[in-house]
Amino acid sequence: ELKVEQNPLFLSMQEGKNYTIYCNYSTTSDRLYWYRQDPGKSLESLFVLLSNGAVKQEGRLMASLDTKARLSTLHITAAVHDLSATYFCAVTRANSKLTFGKGITLSVRP
Amino acid sequence: DAGITQSPRHKVTETGTPVTLRCHQTENHRYMYWYRQDPGHGLRLIHYSYGVKDTDKGEVSDGYSVSRSKTEDFLLTLESATSSQTSVYFCAISESGMGHEKLFFGSGTQLSVL
Repeated sequence: ELKVEQNPLFLSMQEGKNYTIYCNYSTTSDRLYWYRQDPGKSLESLFVLLSNGAVKQEGRLMASLDTKARLSTLHITAAVHDLSATYFCAVTRANSKLTFGKGITLSVRP
Repeated sequence: DAGITQSPRHKVTETGTPVTLRCHQTENHRYMYWYRQDPGHGLRLIHYSYGVKDTDKGEVSDGYSVSRSKTEDFLLTLESATSSQTSVYFCAISESGMGHEKLFFGSGTQLSVL
């Protein structure tokens, strides 16, 4: 059974500082996704990571994938208030349904 | 929201009553999904569909049924609602299936069962 763990579950960030959040998964996978959810809103796709060493960047967010360690990281550069949201990773593999982590809630304080 | 409409957006109902949630898409995607989101559990798959009249169970399917009579519509029915089914329900669609899903989500339905 594919399991996805995210940590920490909640992170209070100070504006302007850098942070990293993590997503671990239990078995080999084909794809890893990062989604963002604003409070009371739907989920929005951020990144799709397809292979070992893949790195995707958009704005202050950079996601990377290490398939050997079964680990994805989401690095936040110079946190700003607009990044406050819950971030989910989700993992899939052939003939298996997409499995989500429980999400990490980020809160940026001045 | 990628041409996905969920209805209703909010519903309050009583224990034991039937409830149907609707998901309508305009993207002509083959795959459609129903998830529930609860604090501390993330998103959990209830049922999904891989074509008209083709559906399968997810990890939390007990107490739920689905139907897909047209490509664009996917219905989720709670035959006899219970308080444990109070949740936020998201519909999602995907062009590709298992192992290659990139999901687009609807706006969600907040369901309260009293």
